[in-house]
Amino acid sequence: EIVLTQSPGTLSLSPGERATLSCRASQSVSSSYLVWYQQKSGQAPRLLIYGASSRAIGIPDRFSGSGSGTDFTLTISRLEPEDFAVYYCQQYGSLQYTFGQGTKLEIK
Amino acid sequence: QVQLVQSGAEVKKPGASVKVSCKASGYTLTSYHMHWVRQAPGQGLEWMGITRSSSGNAEYAQKFQGRVTLTRDTSTSTVYMELSSLTSEDTAVYYCARERVEAYYFEYWGQGTLVTVSS
Repeated sequence: EIVLTQSPGTLSLSPGERATLSCRASQSVSSSYLVWYQQKSGQAPRLLIYGASSRAIGIPDRFSGSGSGTDFTLTISRLEPEDFAVYYCQQYGSLQYTFGQGTKLEIK
Repeated sequence: QVQLVQSGAEVKKPGASVKVSCKASGYTLTSYHMHWVRQAPGQGLEWMGITRSSSGNAEYAQKFQGRVTLTRDTSTSTVYMELSSLTSEDTAVYYCARERVEAYYFEYWGQGTLVTVSS
């Protein structure tokens, strides 16, 4: 099973700053199968990025994804107050879907 | 519009079973895969299994093999997740989530169902 490790566990930033979240896989992952979600407290996850770099419908262009192989990144170019949440990466491989443990993005 | 509406919160005793439903609307159930993902309090997301679109066949994460059963009723566009032999570690919010065939991600989610296991 591919293990996804997200870092940092918690990221403290201010509105207007740039956020860079990392997702590292224990073995190579097809970019087509690497996804990012946002989850706010008490809500279901929301799809942000699929195929490592494609924004889902309705997602602002301040969100971008990049990476390949074992290293993937979610970047939020300029944080808005509504962006403070928990972010998860997810991959598909060998008939299994696995998630990272999440990065909490909190207001500094 | 696509909606996934799940059944209400449950409280179960250890050793019991729970069955959670997810009613789909706004699309044809058999055209999309449906998954179940759970989240323990304060924890991350954990994939449990899939009900495949056209066949209705279910596949399960290794961790839940033998303890979870995914089914569906196409006449009511409802999918079900039944988990047996519950322990306190099964206390979690359970989500259904739709996958477009061969997308390998979850584009729509239910609102979640809290299952509490307590003696």
